[in-house]
Amino acid sequence: AQKVTQAQTEISVVEKEDVTLDCVYETRDTTYYLFWYKQPPSGELVFLIRRNSFDEQNEISGRYSWNFQKSTSSFNFTITASQVVDSAVYFCALSADTGGGNKLTFGTGTQLKVEL
Amino acid sequence: GAGVSQSPSNKVTEKGKDVELRCDPISGHTALYWYRQSLGQGLEFLIYFQGNSAPDKSGLPSDRFSAERTGGSVSTLTIQRTQQEDSAVYLCASSPLYEQYFGPGTRLTVT
Repeated sequence: AQKVTQAQTEISVVEKEDVTLDCVYETRDTTYYLFWYKQPPSGELVFLIRRNSFDEQNEISGRYSWNFQKSTSSFNFTITASQVVDSAVYFCALSADTGGGNKLTFGTGTQLKVEL
Repeated sequence: GAGVSQSPSNKVTEKGKDVELRCDPISGHTALYWYRQSLGQGLEFLIYFQGNSAPDKSGLPSDRFSAERTGGSVSTLTIQRTQQEDSAVYLCASSPLYEQYFGPGTRLTVT
């Protein structure tokens, strides 16, 4: 069985602060994929990033960066110099290439509030 | 380009009635998924379609739920004899391979 844990239910920061959202996963599959999605107040889930289990290189995209560590089964997401527009619920998700599709197992989400 | 669209955006129905929710995926995406988002259960997988293969129905919560995908494109999720616990946001996603792109969802309220 697969499991994704996002222990932080809610985080509040002041604009321009850096913030890290934690994600820990469990899977017995050797090939799997990790994702982050953003759900702003409008409700639509927005794809942010996908990582493959065989690629542990960290990634940076503008103010966003992701740290993937297989040794600790973690895939953490850092927003640098946060902005009010970053306020949203962020979901970490996992899928395995089982030949039966890549259905996502989601964490419970972290509500990020960025205040002025 | 056009994203995933879902209709209706909101649906209020009485307990015991049947409802149909529609999803139009991104053109060219071969895979289509339905998920449900509710306060108590979070985001849950319901069903998956890939091309002409038999769908993966392993996430459907009961036999009152069914879905079909016609012509490898549009999909309809049907809930028969709705119950109050079916109240949730139903999300559709389409995928070219790994990433899934979600629609805005249908908010279903069963009274």
